[in-house]
Amino acid sequence: AQSVTQPDIHITVSEGASLELRCNYSYGATPYLFWYVQSPGQGLQLLLKYFSGDTLVQGIKGFEAEFKRSQSSFNLRKPSVHWSDAAEYFCAVTPYGGATNKLIFGTGTLLAVQP
Amino acid sequence: GAGVSQSPSNKVTEKGKDVELRCDPISGHTALYWYRQSLGQGLEFLIYFQGNSAPDKSGLPSDRFSAERTGGSVSTLTIQRTQQEDSAVYLCASSLDPFSGNTIYFGEGSWLTVV
Repeated sequence: AQSVTQPDIHITVSEGASLELRCNYSYGATPYLFWYVQSPGQGLQLLLKYFSGDTLVQGIKGFEAEFKRSQSSFNLRKPSVHWSDAAEYFCAVTPYGGATNKLIFGTGTLLAVQP
Repeated sequence: GAGVSQSPSNKVTEKGKDVELRCDPISGHTALYWYRQSLGQGLEFLIYFQGNSAPDKSGLPSDRFSAERTGGSVSTLTIQRTQQEDSAVYLCASSLDPFSGNTIYFGEGSWLTVV
């Protein structure tokens, strides 16, 4: 069965430090990949998505992610974290090539930012 | 409206009662999704509507859960004879035709507590 793993449940970084959130997927073919962010009391907001082409994807709020087929990974990065980045981050994948009607989500990584 | 609208934002109900959760998708979006977000369970797909096609109900956890979408717009998720394990945040989302890779936009959710 298709699955998405986010191995880090909770991460704390200092403001200004770099960030990398890990995401691994299990799927036979190359899926569509997404990162969403959920701030407290808010809905999910799409940060970025990978469908095809350049494996380094730029998103909103200064985030980027790199698709590595050999490692089945789609890690999210940001060079310098801001206090407002404190939120929960979800990696997601579509189980069907080309269709986005059923996202499978990871369990999320909760990011805390220290002053 | 500008985004996906859900109501109520919070609902406390007694075990055994029925509840209805409403979702108003972004105008013009033909695809509508319901997800459930539980503590420790992450986000799980419940049901998906696309235009006039038969809905994909494969994620509904039991026959106590049902959903309808009237006129291709507003959707109602109904939980009958609620149980404590139904306590969760129910997220609605919508998108344009999902098969062209359009972004899925989420509402802020309806927080259901069954006591």
